Amino acid sequence: AQSVTQLDSQVPVFEEAPVELRCNYSSSVSVYLFWYVQYPNQGLQLLLKYLSGSTLVESINGFEAEFNKSQTSFHLRKPSVHISDTAEYFCAVNWVGSQGNLIFGKGTKLSVKP
Amino acid sequence: EAQVTQNPRYLITVTGKKLTVTCSQNMNHEYMSWYRQDPGLGLRQIYYSMNVEVTDKGDVPEGYKVSRKEKRNFPLILESPSPNQTSLYFCAAGGRGEHNEQYFGPGTRLTVT
Repeated sequence: AQSVTQLDSQVPVFEEAPVELRCNYSSSVSVYLFWYVQYPNQGLQLLLKYLSGSTLVESINGFEAEFNKSQTSFHLRKPSVHISDTAEYFCAVNWVGSQGNLIFGKGTKLSVKP
Repeated sequence: EAQVTQNPRYLITVTGKKLTVTCSQNMNHEYMSWYRQDPGLGLRQIYYSMNVEVTDKGDVPEGYKVSRKEKRNFPLILESPSPNQTSLYFCAAGGRGEHNEQYFGPGTRLTVT
């Protein structure tokens, strides 16, 4: 079965430090890749997505993710985090040609400390 | 503004008392789905619908029903809720393929005692 693995359930980091949240998926066939963010007591918001083209995608608030087909990964990075980045981050995958279902990872809680 | 709405936002009920959580979208998307979110388990899909009158089971459909009589609405029905259905529920609407960005509702926190 197709699956998405987020290797870290919790990532504590100090403000202004760099961070990487890891995401791997199970298949090497064509995929669409997403990162969603969930701030405390809120729903999920799309952070960024990879559909095709450049393997490096960026969000408006400084996050970026790189699609690595050979390693079946889509890690999320930010060079300098803020307190306001504290949230839970979910990686999601849709396999091209599937019914359209998104498969989510179990989430990574990013906690930014002053 | 693109929006997915859910009602109610919070619900406490007792075992066996039928309930419905409504979901509505204003984006004319064909694809809608329901997820439940539980600590340590992430989001798991309950049911999805690819269009009016077309629904199918997701990963955890037991104990739930859905209907899609209109494109904008996709209610989630619990005929006989049980405590293991205590969870945070999200409705989502979006496209398919390259247009597969999913828009999520604000969530419904359900407690079954």
